[in-house]
Amino acid sequence: QKEVEQDPGPLSVPEGAIVSLNCTYSNSAFQYFMWYRQYSRKGPELLMYTYSSGNKEDGRFTAQVDKSSKYISLFIRDSQPSDSATYLCAMEALNTGFQKLVFGTGTRLLVSP
Amino acid sequence: DAGVIQSPRHEVTEMGQEVTLRCKPISGHNSLFWYRQTMMRGLELLIYFNNNVPIDDSGMPEDRFSAKMPNASFSTLKIQPSEPRDSAVYFCASSFGRGSGGHTDTQYFGPGTRLTVL
Repeated sequence: QKEVEQDPGPLSVPEGAIVSLNCTYSNSAFQYFMWYRQYSRKGPELLMYTYSSGNKEDGRFTAQVDKSSKYISLFIRDSQPSDSATYLCAMEALNTGFQKLVFGTGTRLLVSP
Repeated sequence: DAGVIQSPRHEVTEMGQEVTLRCKPISGHNSLFWYRQTMMRGLELLIYFNNNVPIDDSGMPEDRFSAKMPNASFSTLKIQPSEPRDSAVYFCASSFGRGSGGHTDTQYFGPGTRLTVL
């Protein structure tokens, strides 16, 4: 079983829809959670990060972490065609002495005009 | 800043050949990471360097893979001999190391090298 599970999609939505992207994980030591966005033929870029549990909002994007359920989510409001990309969740256990992010396989999102 | 630079962008080679991938990190960053991305396994960390020293190479699949960082502005990932199962996109990323919260600081990824081994 992978440490981080993510539905590969694709997830197709019309412009303006609310999008929910999710990851589950098995390692309870993860404390730092990130969402990366990757456009086709490009490298991933950090979109949002958050610690432990709770919500974090940045414009149209909201990241949510539920450590008790080992579940994280990214919500996109008023989705735009420019949001079409692959979204990867990533996680890190802190204070291990190593810098190691564990990524999900990514969910491909398609927003149609 | 030009960002992380990788070369070549595409590489097609035959099984058994040596492949060398190159990376120039963002100036001032002291951590460098090599990742491999495939559809089946996603993005996997192969090795990372801190201040040019390899710290964790547990993700390197086997002895055919090796990585070096001779100075702060250059790193290579070498595969010798290459095999078809090595076909993937290889990314290099760099960062300032650890953030104030003890987490890995933001990693900036290069555009990747798409490797095809026939």
